[in-house]
Amino acid sequence: KQEVTQIPAALSVPEGENLVLNCSFTDSAIYNLQWFRQDPGKGLTSLLLIQSSQREQTSGRLNASLDKSSGRSTLYIAASQPGDSATYLCAVHDDYKLSFGAGTTVTVRA
Amino acid sequence: NAGVTQTPKFQVLKTGQSMTLQCAQDMNHNSMYWYRQDPGMGLRLIYYSASEGTTDKGEVPNGYNVSRLNKREFSLRLESAAPSQTSVYFCASSLDYQETQYFGPGTRLLVL
Repeated sequence: KQEVTQIPAALSVPEGENLVLNCSFTDSAIYNLQWFRQDPGKGLTSLLLIQSSQREQTSGRLNASLDKSSGRSTLYIAASQPGDSATYLCAVHDDYKLSFGAGTTVTVRA
Repeated sequence: NAGVTQTPKFQVLKTGQSMTLQCAQDMNHNSMYWYRQDPGMGLRLIYYSASEGTTDKGEVPNGYNVSRLNKREFSLRLESAAPSQTSVYFCASSLDYQETQYFGPGTRLLVL
């Protein structure tokens, strides 16, 4: 059974600092990996999807890397802003379903 | 485009009552999903529909039924609600079953 772990569970940084969020998974036979953002009381917003054949994916200030062989992905957010405060979830696609990590809750202090 | 919409936003049920959660998407997606999100348990897949006319069980299907009414709509039914079904329910859709999933705003369900 796929296990997805996100460390740390919570992170607080001053505005302007770069954020590094980690995700690890136990079974490397994945199709792709997806990063989401969830604001309190809201649904999930897709940020990036990395195909299993890719090493990284970029969108604006966001960059996600994937190392399938070691079972790791990292989400980098450059020059953090208070609006980046949210919970970030990673999820791996294995066959038909997404397996989710518990998330990292980020607070960016103004 | 509204994306993925869910109704109702919030519902209170008594144990044993039934209800149907509605989900619709306007992105012409083939695949649709129902998840529940619980503190400490994360998001877990209840049922999914890889394409119109098909439905399959996910990780936690007990106590639920689903209907893929047409390509746009995928409903989740609780036949006899139990307090353990108190949760936040999310519907999601994707173009195909390994593509990016897009989530609705959720339905908060409280079973007393």
